[in-house]
Amino acid sequence: NAGVMQNPRHLVRRRGQEARLRCSPMKGHSHVYWYRQLPEEGLKFMVYLQKENIIDESGMPKERFSAEFPKEGPSILRIQQVVRGDSAAYFCASSPSISGAGANVLTFGAGSRLTVL
Amino acid sequence: QQQVKQSPQSLIVQKGGISIINCAYENTAFDYFPWYQQFPGKGPALLIAIRPDVSEKKEGRFTISFNKSAKQFSLHIMDSQPGDSATYFCAAGGSQGNLIFGKGTKLSVKP
Repeated sequence: NAGVMQNPRHLVRRRGQEARLRCSPMKGHSHVYWYRQLPEEGLKFMVYLQKENIIDESGMPKERFSAEFPKEGPSILRIQQVVRGDSAAYFCASSPSISGAGANVLTFGAGSRLTVL
Repeated sequence: QQQVKQSPQSLIVQKGGISIINCAYENTAFDYFPWYQQFPGKGPALLIAIRPDVSEKKEGRFTISFNKSAKQFSLHIMDSQPGDSATYFCAAGGSQGNLIFGKGTKLSVKP
């Protein structure tokens, strides 16, 4: 079991470019969460997805940010027209279910560190 | 209502000592309280978790104490070791599956 896989691990973009971060959940997990971590701060929830469904996007900035989790392939967090303030570590987590003993048990990936020049 | 407040922000403990980190929450709908450990450059890893039907859970040197009436919970690390030096995050979750995290405590264990 390879765990939650995120790529790229490091990404450098210039202001105005697009950033795409990918996340493959653990085998058997159907729920994906994206969190953002600024230096010396905690994890801020961004979005929660199931296959082909956005369940909760209350933490997503209203503009430039979008997320998807298609039927096939990884979940993608997309940031358009990046600005310096988008520089952060973006973590993906997955869980096996929304109810029962597995609910809330999030397993995190190693993160993708975005630097905007 | 969705906040989780964590203290202290940083903590220095001598090897062999007890490390104590505290968290408080507001939303009574939360029913899952995990602690995560994060080393520099790595993702958070689940350390120990508790649900509100018990007041204490122990796994090795790590113990969670939970006070439902006060809406507080804490992590105790007994016999702290230099290898425990990391950032610790408390979190709280409800039926939606999402977790709300505290801001973290940077623990340094001095040899």
